Amino acid sequence: QAQLQESGPGLVEPSETLSLTCAVTGYSISDGDYWGWIRQPPGKGLEWIGAMHHSGSTYYNPSLKSRVTLSLDTSKNQFSLKLSSVTAADTAIYYCARGIEYWGQGTLVTVSS
Amino acid sequence: ETVMTQSPATLSVSPGERATLSCRASQSVSRSVAWYQQKPDQAPRLLIYGASTRATGIPARFSGSGSGTEFTLTISSLQSEDFAVYYCQQYNNWPRMFGQGTKVEIK
Repeated sequence: QAQLQESGPGLVEPSETLSLTCAVTGYSISDGDYWGWIRQPPGKGLEWIGAMHHSGSTYYNPSLKSRVTLSLDTSKNQFSLKLSSVTAADTAIYYCARGIEYWGQGTLVTVSS
Repeated sequence: ETVMTQSPATLSVSPGERATLSCRASQSVSRSVAWYQQKPDQAPRLLIYGASTRATGIPARFSGSGSGTEFTLTISSLQSEDFAVYYCQQYNNWPRMFGQGTKVEIK
């Protein structure tokens, strides 16, 4: 079992870097599984962003790879997403997830000046 | 990259009827397919993994089948709470792409 909770700014200016954190309770991220991010633009489908294993293996959606950085903080039992050079097209609900089963509730990030 | 294609985009079904949703992978993904249900303003919920194994707490009216490139989600008798959008996802290789979704609406 695991509970996940996203946090971060709800508004980001164009060309800036979007930064989100996912706090995990009920499971240690060091114990295994992949820790990832998915997003959903308003009214659209799910887009897989990337995932990271505590061993360091990291995988990205090729369409976002050049702008995405994932990291884990085992001391705080949380993991993070950074997406650089954002535009309005990056406006979405961002979900964090453990593997395929456990998801956070999602957080809306709007890119606008 | 494995592309996941769902059909139809929208399925109109009467309560109590059967719904059959399809998902096709652009290359074999063995049985590594998950199905999710998403209701408005909610996070997706895992229904099926391993192509046919129901997740914890999922009613038996939901069933999954398939292997390789062709997968099906069947809802045997639609209940009011089942009207939602359904997504498939492959997790056999990276990146773990989703299908574009099928909306199941009331007929």
